This record gives sequence, C-alpha cells and structure tokens, in this order.
Amino acid sequence: DAGVIQSPRHEVTEMGQEVTLRCKPISGHDYLFWYRQTMMRGLELLIYFNNNVPIDDSGMPEDRFSAKMPNASFSTLKIQPSEPRDSAVYFCASSLSGQTNEKLFFGSGTQLSVL
Amino acid sequence: AQSVTQLGSHVSVSEGALVLLRCNYSSSVPPYLFWYVQYPNQGLQLLLKYTTGATLVKGINGFEAEFKKSETSFHLTKPSAHMSDAAEYFCAVSPLGSARQLTFGSGTQLTVLP
Repeated sequence: DAGVIQSPRHEVTEMGQEVTLRCKPISGHDYLFWYRQTMMRGLELLIYFNNNVPIDDSGMPEDRFSAKMPNASFSTLKIQPSEPRDSAVYFCASSLSGQTNEKLFFGSGTQLSVL
Repeated sequence: AQSVTQLGSHVSVSEGALVLLRCNYSSSVPPYLFWYVQYPNQGLQLLLKYTTGATLVKGINGFEAEFKKSETSFHLTKPSAHMSDAAEYFCAVSPLGSARQLTFGSGTQLTVLP
C-alpha cells in the first residue's frame, strides 16, 4: 500500500483565498483524521471521520474551516477565506478500528503558507 | 481528560551516547501510551506503544520505553544514538487505546552530533 497520500505538499496563497487540502487514506481504513501542527500549539486534532461520517469536529477552529469525506478513499479540508494565522502543516491520518490499540498512519503533510 | 508533558523541546547528544527523552502524562483512567517519530518533511510514525502487561516496551530502531505508574512517566531511551535518529519525537496518551482520543505532547527535537 502507498500509505496515506496528501496533496499538495506545499501551498502558498494570499489572505482571503480559498484553500483545499486533499487526502487519500489507506485502503480499508475506516477512520480518518485531520491534524494541524504549529510551533505554538503543537499537534492539534481538527476533525475525524468514521466510515465517511464526521464524528467530532470540536477541534475545527472556526467556521472558515470545513471538511468533507464524500467516499472512503478521499477527504478534503477547506479553508475559506484563508488568513495568515492558518499557516501550518496539516496532516491527514487514517486508522483501522476493531483493535484495542489503534495505530495512526500519517501522511507527509501539506505545508500551508498564507501571505 | 488526559495530557502529556515532554520535558525539553530540544535535546542534543553525541553519536554513540545514550538518548533519553522525557515524557510525563496525566490520565483519569489507565493510559495507553505511545511514542511517535517525525523525520524531516514526513508524517509521524509509530515507534512503540504501551497498552498493558510488561512495563518495558521495545520499539523499532533500538528504542525502548518504560511505563512507570508511580511516576506517571513513559521516558524513551536508546543506548547508543545514531545520526539517523535525528528527528522530532512525540509522546502521546490515550485513555482507552483509541486513536480517536489521542493527545500528543509538544514534541522533542533530537539532534545527534558527530
């Protein structure tokens, strides 16, 4: 398996523009997570899905952030409008349920810079 | 609720020296504990995990960690550092082993000096 695939690897945009980050989880995994990593706040869970359904979005910082998972092999995280404070590395991760010690598989991340 | 504190955001060791990265946790229920490693420009990878049973856990690349309930600690060690160990290391806790409730520490950047 190719692992969790994220695109793009780097995104530079101007304040006010819409940004869409993409993620393809590992085939067969039924949980998908979006994390944000910054120097100030470390690694934060934004939202997670189970079987394509959003379960907990309490970590989503504002209404400007939205996430979707239209099918088991694809998810997006959208920021509209983007702001400089959204600059961070965004990670997608997936896991397989049914185990007592689930392991997260992370993608390589998207480095977002909002100017 | 659970939390993780990693002491020392940066640790430097010489190649061949002992690596010790500190992690203390708090959890209202028996915890499941994890160490993840992040190499430059990559996502996090699981190094090792403690669930139940033996308190000394061995992971990949020669790393190990010991769960000490009385000290609420889960420090990561490696007897002899290698240049390839340079990375950022994250300790994480989960109350029931669920990835859905994983709380990460702030990370420790390990530098290995030649």
